[in-house]
Amino acid sequence: AQKITQTQPGMFVQEKEAVTLDCTYDTSDQSYGLFWYKQPSSGEMIFLIYQGSYDEQNATEGRYSLNFQKARKSANLVISASQLGDSAMYFCAMRDTKAAGNKLTFGGGTRVLVKP
Amino acid sequence: DGGITQSPKYLFRKEGQNVTLSCEQNLNHDAMYWYRQDPGQGLRLIYYSQIVNDFQKGDIAEGYSVSREKKESFPLTVTSAQKNPTAFYLCASSTHWGWTFGSGTRLTVV
Repeated sequence: AQKITQTQPGMFVQEKEAVTLDCTYDTSDQSYGLFWYKQPSSGEMIFLIYQGSYDEQNATEGRYSLNFQKARKSANLVISASQLGDSAMYFCAMRDTKAAGNKLTFGGGTRVLVKP
Repeated sequence: DGGITQSPKYLFRKEGQNVTLSCEQNLNHDAMYWYRQDPGQGLRLIYYSQIVNDFQKGDIAEGYSVSREKKESFPLTVTSAQKNPTAFYLCASSTHWGWTFGSGTRLTVV
């Protein structure tokens, strides 16, 4: 079974600084996809970034980048130049591309609070 | 604009009552999902459906039921058998390339 682990329950970060959110995963599959979502207090899930297991380059989307280390099974999210609006819960998730159901498995999340 | 609509946003239920949460999508996605989220925790999969008239149990299906009579709709019923139903419920739909989530329903048992 797939498993996603986020070891940081909460973090403070100073405005304009960078922050790294850890994510490790466990899977026996060779083909999989990794996602990061942001969940503000309103509850909606906002897609941030995606990394495929065969992608050779680390994914980047604006201020978000994914530090993908396949051998270590880690997919850390880096948020550069933090803004007050970045305060939210952040979830790492993995898609099993082989199993029936195309399911998305989530980690427990990391709460980020940006300080002015 | 295409998206997922969940209703109601807030729902209160008395103990022992069944309650149905609505989820409608106009994205023409084949797959739909229901997740449960408890405070400060991640999302756990309740049920999912890949096509109309077919659905499968997720990791925490006990006490829940679903139907998929139309491609656009995937309602979730929280039955009286669910021992601790107070939670935030998120519906999602997907293509192979990505997921779209609704804005959620917050269910409270009073």
